[in-house]
Amino acid sequence: AQTVTQSQPEMSVQEAETVTLSCTYDTSESNYYLFWYKQPPSRQMILVIRQEAYKQQNATENRFSVNFQKAAKSFSLKISDSQLGDTAMYFCAFMKHRGGSEKLVFGKGTKLTVNP
Amino acid sequence: EAGVAQSPRYKIIEKRQSVAFWCNPISGHATLYWYQQILGQGPKLLIQFQNNGVVDDSQLPKDRFSAERLKGVDSTLKIQPAKLEDSAVYLCASSPRFRRFSGNTIYFGEGSWLTVV
Repeated sequence: AQTVTQSQPEMSVQEAETVTLSCTYDTSESNYYLFWYKQPPSRQMILVIRQEAYKQQNATENRFSVNFQKAAKSFSLKISDSQLGDTAMYFCAFMKHRGGSEKLVFGKGTKLTVNP
Repeated sequence: EAGVAQSPRYKIIEKRQSVAFWCNPISGHATLYWYQQILGQGPKLLIQFQNNGVVDDSQLPKDRFSAERLKGVDSTLKIQPAKLEDSAVYLCASSPRFRRFSGNTIYFGEGSWLTVV
């Protein structure tokens, strides 16, 4: 079974600075997807960024980028120019790529606070 | 495009009572998921439907939880009888028409908050 580990329960950053959230995962699959979801207090899960494991290039979405290290099974999220609206829980998630059962397995989350 | 709709948003019940949550996925989405998120944890999959068939319900406590997706569109998740440990947010999610190896993005609703007292 796949597992996702987020080792930082809480982090804080000053507005406009850069912060990196860590995620490691364990799987025997060779093809899979990785995601970062943001969950504000409203509890709706919002997709931040996704990475296909077969792609070597790291995904980027505006201020958000990932550092995907497949051999190390590491998938960190970097947020540049942090904004107050980035304050939320961030979840790393794994989806395997075969078998017809596409489902997300989540880590426990990292609570990020952006301070003014 | 309308998102995943869930109701009710909030529910407080006493233990041993029953509760039902409703979900309307994004139009045309074939796959529907119910996740349970206990405070301080990541969401855990309870059940996954592909159209109106169950793909995965391995983590659904079947002695008290049930779910159905009639006609492959809306879905209802029921808990009967509820226990204190069922207090959680129940997230419904959907993804587009199933395509093998597609890695479809999964879209979430705002969740239904359940408190069992």
